[in-house]
Amino acid sequence: QKEVEQNSGPLSVPEGAIASLNCTYSDRVSQSFFWYRQYSGKSPELIMSIYSNGDKEDGRFTAQLNKASQYVSLLIRDSQPSDSATYLCAFGYSSASKIIFGSGTRLSIRP
Amino acid sequence: EAGVTQFPSHSVIEKGQTVTLRCDPISGHDNLYWYRRVMGKEIKFLLHFVKESKQDESGMPNNRFLAERTGGTYSTLKVQPAELEDSGVYFCASSHMRGLAGETQYFGPGTRLLVL
Repeated sequence: QKEVEQNSGPLSVPEGAIASLNCTYSDRVSQSFFWYRQYSGKSPELIMSIYSNGDKEDGRFTAQLNKASQYVSLLIRDSQPSDSATYLCAFGYSSASKIIFGSGTRLSIRP
Repeated sequence: EAGVTQFPSHSVIEKGQTVTLRCDPISGHDNLYWYRRVMGKEIKFLLHFVKESKQDESGMPNNRFLAERTGGTYSTLKVQPAELEDSGVYFCASSHMRGLAGETQYFGPGTRLLVL
């Protein structure tokens, strides 16, 4: 079983709609959860981090964490073509600082 | 403020040759990480420096890989001898805090390595 599971996509969403990205993780010791955005040929860029159960909002982005279900999601409201990218779900441990990445979900926003 | 920089951006070498990748972290960042993404796989952790010390090298695949960070500034990752399966994108990241989970890691643009 992979440590982080994501649907590889592509996920196609019309412009202006809500894009919903989901991720599950296997290690209950995980303490920190991240969403990175990666454009083709570029480096990963952190867009959201979340540490506690519940929702965390930042502009058009909302991260949701449910530790009991080992589930984290990312909602993108009012999707824009510039949101088209690969979204990487990742987590970290409290006792170490390495980040464990999922393989990513390709998101395509169609005009 | 300059971001994380990596050199070279691309490298094409033959099997058995040696390649050295360089990473310059953001100024003042004590933590430096190496990751790599091989074709079709997820980004995987290789190792973590705190200043010049190796904090965690659990992700290093084998003894053909040698990482150094003399003086606690830039880091090099040498692959000797390179094998075909070493092809991929090697990312460096740095962070400011003491290596606690949750700190933001800033990634460099990566070095694309192709071993023929």
